[in-house]
Amino acid sequence: AQKITQTQPGMFVQEKEAVTLDCTYDTSDPSYGLFWYKQPSSGEMIFLIYQGSYDQQNATEGRYSLNFQKARKSANLVISASQLGDSAMYFCAMREGIRNTPLVFGKGTRLSVIA
Amino acid sequence: EPEVTQTPSHQVTQMGQEVILRCVPISNHLYFYWYRQILGQKVEFLVSFYNNEISEKSEIFDDQFSVERPDGSNFTLKIRSTKLEDSAMYFCASSDRSRVNNQPQHFGDGTRLSIL
Repeated sequence: AQKITQTQPGMFVQEKEAVTLDCTYDTSDPSYGLFWYKQPSSGEMIFLIYQGSYDQQNATEGRYSLNFQKARKSANLVISASQLGDSAMYFCAMREGIRNTPLVFGKGTRLSVIA
Repeated sequence: EPEVTQTPSHQVTQMGQEVILRCVPISNHLYFYWYRQILGQKVEFLVSFYNNEISEKSEIFDDQFSVERPDGSNFTLKIRSTKLEDSAMYFCASSDRSRVNNQPQHFGDGTRLSIL
């Protein structure tokens, strides 16, 4: 079974609008962390935001916020006020347990911001 | 801001040759990782390294691969007898000494390996 599922291969959003990128996860470990990374066309992986399984509040980092619904096992990324520079691949990833275990990535969503 | 540095950015190699991909993790980090991303696919874990030894490895990381920390700053991935299917982007990542799982892994810009 897939540990991380991103069901949207591609998304389009108008500049200045908000967009939600979906991510669902599967784990039986009560302790886990969820991460979002951005990969521009140049290829590098840029860390955006983190949500821990025990965190009571949804994470926010500037224009990025995470809509964490633990019972549904979803961790959707919300980008507000989209900019042309937000066009990229976005990967959701999970780390299980409390140690520095490897990240498991989803297949990604390609976001295109339209002027 | 400190960053993970990878060299070279692009490596072209004949099939059957050996390649060494180099990484300089963030200086105070103790956990190191290699991942690969075949073109158009998701990022896959290869190996993690802590305290001068492999702490975890995936099925992909077979005898063809090895990792080494030859000095206090470099972390290398060696691929022997390269195959066409080894063509991919290889990412090095590092994370802090903390034992909690909220530390992000910081990725380098990757080495694009092309096997001809």
